[in-house]
Amino acid sequence: EIVLTQSPGTLSLSPGERATLSCRASQSVSSSFLAWYQQKPGQAPRLLISGASNRATGIPDRFSGSGSGTDLTLTVSRLEPEDFAVYYCQQYDSSPFWTFGQGTKVEIK
Amino acid sequence: QLQLQESGPGLVKPSETLSLTCSVSGGSISSSSYYWGWIRQPPGKGLEWIGSIYYSGSTYYNPSLKSRVTISLDTSKNRFSLKLSSVTAADTAIYYCARGDTYYHDMDVWGQGTTVTVSS
Repeated sequence: EIVLTQSPGTLSLSPGERATLSCRASQSVSSSFLAWYQQKPGQAPRLLISGASNRATGIPDRFSGSGSGTDLTLTVSRLEPEDFAVYYCQQYDSSPFWTFGQGTKVEIK
Repeated sequence: QLQLQESGPGLVKPSETLSLTCSVSGGSISSSSYYWGWIRQPPGKGLEWIGSIYYSGSTYYNPSLKSRVTISLDTSKNRFSLKLSSVTAADTAIYYCARGDTYYHDMDVWGQGTTVTVSS
């Protein structure tokens, strides 16, 4: 089973700042099968990024994904007030098995 | 626009079976481009994949839950279901249904979630 570890656990930033979130896998994952989600309080997760770097439909271009192998990154170039939320990475392997990271909370500083 | 809606009891007694249904509107559950899954989130915690079912009826379960989980499709009613047997307090969570994409293997459409509490 592949374990995804997200860091930091909490990121305290101000609107307009850049957020960089990390997702590290316990073994190499296929970039095609790495996704990022955003979850706000009381809401279901929302797909942001598919295939490590492809924005989902309707996602603003301030969100970008990058990385490969065991190190993946989600970047929010300039935080808007609505971007303060919890972010999860997720991977799929051929077991098949879907795994989520434990989440990174982006909070207002 | 595709929408998913979970339904089922909000309270289940310990040792009993949790049963939830996800009704799909705005699209067919029989599409070969997608599969259907259940994910849960204990209070204040992260997301856990429970299992998935393909249009063919093939099912895949989280090994940690496999002995207790059954997911099924009802194509006549365009919905799919989750059964989790022998529940304990540890199964208390928000349960989400979602659509999975067969190309990227991510979940691109989610239901709003339903809270299930296991308590006597």
